[in-house]
Amino acid sequence: DGGITQSPKYLFRKEGQNVTLSCEQNLNHDAMYWYRQDPGQGLRLIYYSQIVNDFQKGDIAEGYSVSREKKESFPLTVTSAQKNPTAFYLCASRQGTGANVLTFGAGSRLTVL
Amino acid sequence: AQKITQTQPGMFVQEKEAVTLDCTYDTSDPSYGLFWYKQPSSGEMIFLIYQGSYDQQNATEGRYSLNFQKARKSANLVISASQLGDSAMYFCAMRGLKTGTYKYIFGTGTRLKVLA
Repeated sequence: DGGITQSPKYLFRKEGQNVTLSCEQNLNHDAMYWYRQDPGQGLRLIYYSQIVNDFQKGDIAEGYSVSREKKESFPLTVTSAQKNPTAFYLCASRQGTGANVLTFGAGSRLTVL
Repeated sequence: AQKITQTQPGMFVQEKEAVTLDCTYDTSDPSYGLFWYKQPSSGEMIFLIYQGSYDQQNATEGRYSLNFQKARKSANLVISASQLGDSAMYFCAMRGLKTGTYKYIFGTGTRLKVLA
């Protein structure tokens, strides 16, 4: 079955460390997105990519970096420059036809110790 | 600027009754799409229903319907015959289309609790 796989599901990090969250999709979608979710808040856009080798900053890109070397993969690195990285991270890809629905992965929960 | 507003942080509904979750939006885009997602405690976002800004009829998907009032800029989700499994967070979202770039913004969500 097609879908989006995010790993790891849970991640603990010490302050000052960079961590990379994986996002892989086999839906053949061109566009991919990273969102951050904090308790009691909606989803906020970190980065998005419309095609391979191209990506744009979202509303809260500071302290994050991404790459898009393959259509299937859109990893997110949370750098030490991110002041408050503890959050739930959701990756999504966009259907390129019709309603352009976003399909989401199961999420990764990052906790900074 | 685009904005989604969900004013109900939490809602209760009795099992088998209908419930309406409110969503208002603001956009200057002539063409846009509105979505509702369900987020169970597991965290995954599940797509429920879509309404295009030019659609003449309100969208329906099984027990879900979208009450779209364009002039009032509202896109309320109606869940009929609530079930215990409907207990979850519900997010309203909007997709704008500007210069070929699709961006999606989300509201803060409504937590629905279905009572037995």
